[in-house]
Amino acid sequence: DQQVKQNSPSLSVQEGRISILNCDYTNSMFDYFLWYKKYPAEGPTFLISISSIKDKNEDGRFTVFLNKSAKHLSLHIVPSQPGDSAVYFCAARNSGGSNYKLTFGKGTLLTVNP
Amino acid sequence: DAMVIQNPRYQVTQFGKPVTLSCSQTLNHNVMYWYQQKSSQAPKLLFHYYDKDFNNEADTPDNFQSRRPNTSFCFLDIRSPGLGDAAMYLCATSRFSGAGTDTQYFGPGTRLTVL
Repeated sequence: DQQVKQNSPSLSVQEGRISILNCDYTNSMFDYFLWYKKYPAEGPTFLISISSIKDKNEDGRFTVFLNKSAKHLSLHIVPSQPGDSAVYFCAARNSGGSNYKLTFGKGTLLTVNP
Repeated sequence: DAMVIQNPRYQVTQFGKPVTLSCSQTLNHNVMYWYQQKSSQAPKLLFHYYDKDFNNEADTPDNFQSRRPNTSFCFLDIRSPGLGDAAMYLCATSRFSGAGTDTQYFGPGTRLTVL
């Protein structure tokens, strides 16, 4: 029972264009969402997060959008750079339940071509 | 730099031979986690420590144990590794705030191979 789904295993974009990575969740109790980036041979590194009281959070080139009614969030990277090539994981938490547990998606491999 | 360190980065063990993976942190975080990640799968939480309190996930096999002798160190013990336990093992830490907005910081992982 996959509660966090990243349905695109991979995405390829040209340098300078927008990258849009999508994530869907099924548990309506999730109220805090995070995106992690993972390079090969490294652990995931935190990128950006959003609380369910917001619908948008922006940090430089990275913006996360949350659509609670659709149980969908997306990560926008503008402009995309070759160094952004990595696996991106979406993660979700139910803050009212266990404050600790993150539920991850399977990840999307982003390739940014020069 | 404050960080999460995992040793070894690569571990090869034989079927049934106990193995221990280690994690240390310089972040002084009170929560430490162990995740298992198999190829093309989502990281799966095995258990976590909140200070000295151990919290096991319901579906974590008994074959997996953990120790946290102090704030900085946490160990993952696999008592009798099977071929299905070959995976990347990720350690993470966080500082519990009570607000539900804690960020988890990950180590580089240990790749376990079972022969």
